[in-house]
Amino acid sequence: AQSVAQPEDQVNVAEGNPLTVKCTYSVSGNPYLFWYVQYPNRGLQFLLKYITGDNLVKGSYGFEAEFNKSQTSFHLKKPSALVSDSALYFCAVRDIGWAAGNKLTFGGGTRVLVKP
Amino acid sequence: GAVVSQHPSRVICKSGTSVKIECRSLDFQATTMFWYRQFPKQSLMLMATSNEGSKATYEQGVEKDKFLINHASLTLSTLTVTSAHPEDSSFYICSAKLAGGGDTQYFGPGTRLTVL
Repeated sequence: AQSVAQPEDQVNVAEGNPLTVKCTYSVSGNPYLFWYVQYPNRGLQFLLKYITGDNLVKGSYGFEAEFNKSQTSFHLKKPSALVSDSALYFCAVRDIGWAAGNKLTFGGGTRVLVKP
Repeated sequence: GAVVSQHPSRVICKSGTSVKIECRSLDFQATTMFWYRQFPKQSLMLMATSNEGSKATYEQGVEKDKFLINHASLTLSTLTVTSAHPEDSSFYICSAKLAGGGDTQYFGPGTRLTVL
């Protein structure tokens, strides 16, 4: 079984300050990890993913995430938040084991509010 | 690249009618498409996995006779909500994976279904 936890329902940050959105996961094998962002009444936009290799992954719009196997975490970060980053962020995991299929499991989402 | 469209973006129907939602991959071929449901302020729940040319695989608790899925081509999957009821009102989102590999799912913009 695979699961994802986003412990914070909402994160508030002032514009220009660093932004961190937390994500922890649980899989039986090795994980593929993803971050998506959703704006109101829209679908999800892909931000970045970790498959293998460098633990620090850089993605769209200045976001990055660090894969930490020992802590089973994949926190999303941005050094300097913009008001336009205000949205709903989802972390997702896929177990790359053969029995897991293609299914992604999503976390509950974290709403980010960047105040000017 | 990797654009997924959905039609319609919004639909309002009377209870008891059927509604068809289309999901198209515009610039790539997708052997696998996914259908999700999202309730307000909640995460995405996978409803079914749709493979081109074969029957869809439904998640536990999802009625296959109520949510009919057809994936007739490499660029089109349809979800038909049959005999819709107010409790079927939700935001339905599809995603698609590139044929021939790749683990990233690309999401459509979603369809807001309201059943009166």
